Amino acid sequence: AQKVTQAQTEISVVEKEDVTLDCVYETRDTTYYLFWYKQPPSGELVFLIRRNSFDEQNEISGRYSWNFQKSTSSFNFTITASQVVDSAVYFCAPRGGSSNTGKLIFGQGTTLQVKP
Amino acid sequence: GAVVSQHPSRVICKSGTSVKIECRSLDFQATTMFWYRQFPKKSLMLMATSNEGSKATYEQGVEKDKFLINHASLTLSTLTVTSAHPEDSSFYICSAISGVSSYNEQFFGPGTRLTVL
Repeated sequence: AQKVTQAQTEISVVEKEDVTLDCVYETRDTTYYLFWYKQPPSGELVFLIRRNSFDEQNEISGRYSWNFQKSTSSFNFTITASQVVDSAVYFCAPRGGSSNTGKLIFGQGTTLQVKP
Repeated sequence: GAVVSQHPSRVICKSGTSVKIECRSLDFQATTMFWYRQFPKKSLMLMATSNEGSKATYEQGVEKDKFLINHASLTLSTLTVTSAHPEDSSFYICSAISGVSSYNEQFFGPGTRLTVL
């Protein structure tokens, strides 16, 4: 079974600041996948990234970057030069590989508020 | 990416009535669909996993007789909240994947906001 902890409930930053959202997960699976989703006020979930547990390379996509540390079971998400449009709830979600059911287990989410 | 739609987007009903929510994969065949429930400012809670042509698998604590799920085709799953009560008011979100691999991306619908008076 998977479990995920997003310790930061709410973060408030001023525009152009960098911000890191923490995610710590637990899993018994040897192969698993990690996801980040964004949920803006409209409610629709937006897929941000999928990471295979075998691939520990960090990834950068524009202003977004992810730091995967398998040794500490963390998959942190950094937004560089934040913008007001980044204001949303962000969810980290692991998904087991061996179970093959595709179930996503969502963390509690981190609400990010970016002020102008 | 693939598109998943939900209908209706918002519904208000009286206590005791039943409400059906549809989830459709518009441009792919979804072998598996998931139903989530989200309370205000809370996380998404998985309610059940729905596979085409078979009975849904409910998560612990979810009443299967209360939340009826039907996955009659590869593009449609429905969630019926039977005899709805105010405590059933919530944001219901469905998602769909194509194939059985856990690697396959899960596509989410826009959600349905249910308010029971």
